[in-house]
Amino acid sequence: GESVGLHLPTLSVQEGDNSIINCAYSNSASDYFIWYKQESGKGPQFIIDIRSNMDKRQGQRVTVLLNKTVKHLSLQIAATQPGDSAVYFCAATSASNYQLIWGAGTKLIIKP
Amino acid sequence: GAGVSQSPRYKVAKRGQDVALRCDPISGHVSLFWYQQALGQGPEFLTYFQNEAQLDKSGLPSDRFFAERPEGSVSTLKIQRTQQEDSAVYLCASTIKTDTQYFGPGTRLTVL
Repeated sequence: GESVGLHLPTLSVQEGDNSIINCAYSNSASDYFIWYKQESGKGPQFIIDIRSNMDKRQGQRVTVLLNKTVKHLSLQIAATQPGDSAVYFCAATSASNYQLIWGAGTKLIIKP
Repeated sequence: GAGVSQSPRYKVAKRGQDVALRCDPISGHVSLFWYQQALGQGPEFLTYFQNEAQLDKSGLPSDRFFAERPEGSVSTLKIQRTQQEDSAVYLCASTIKTDTQYFGPGTRLTVL
């Protein structure tokens, strides 16, 4: 069945370094991908999205890369800050299906 | 409003009690979603509304779960005869149509 999975459950990064969080998806029909950040006790917060007609999209300190060939996407966070500590989820959907398929989440820990 | 709001933020119920969880979506958002989130997991889809119409309730785990959105704005998720396995965070999200979903802070339900 459909799945969106994350490669690592926990990622520890030194403050100031770049973070890379990876995600794989299984449904080749997925054409819209979203990264969410969820801090403790809060709902998921939209970070950045990308559609399947793009390979890369940049935001403020964040970049999402999409490789449709291997059904993989990644979230890069530049100059990681303590406020980036959270669980990061990728989610995928398609134009024909409003349902988001979620990964389990990667916990990003920032080391001082 | 500025964002999706949910109330109460925390709810403790005794097993067998009925609970009602409220969601106020972003003004003008047509679509509304309810999710259940277990600790450390991604949100699991429960149900979807487009305006007042409940178009998909396939994720509701049992007939004890009921959701409504009578005027196409505020939505209520009701759980009857709560069980311990219902303990989770219940998230509400809204979107203009079926694009990026914006989430509320969630209601943490604990059933004793």
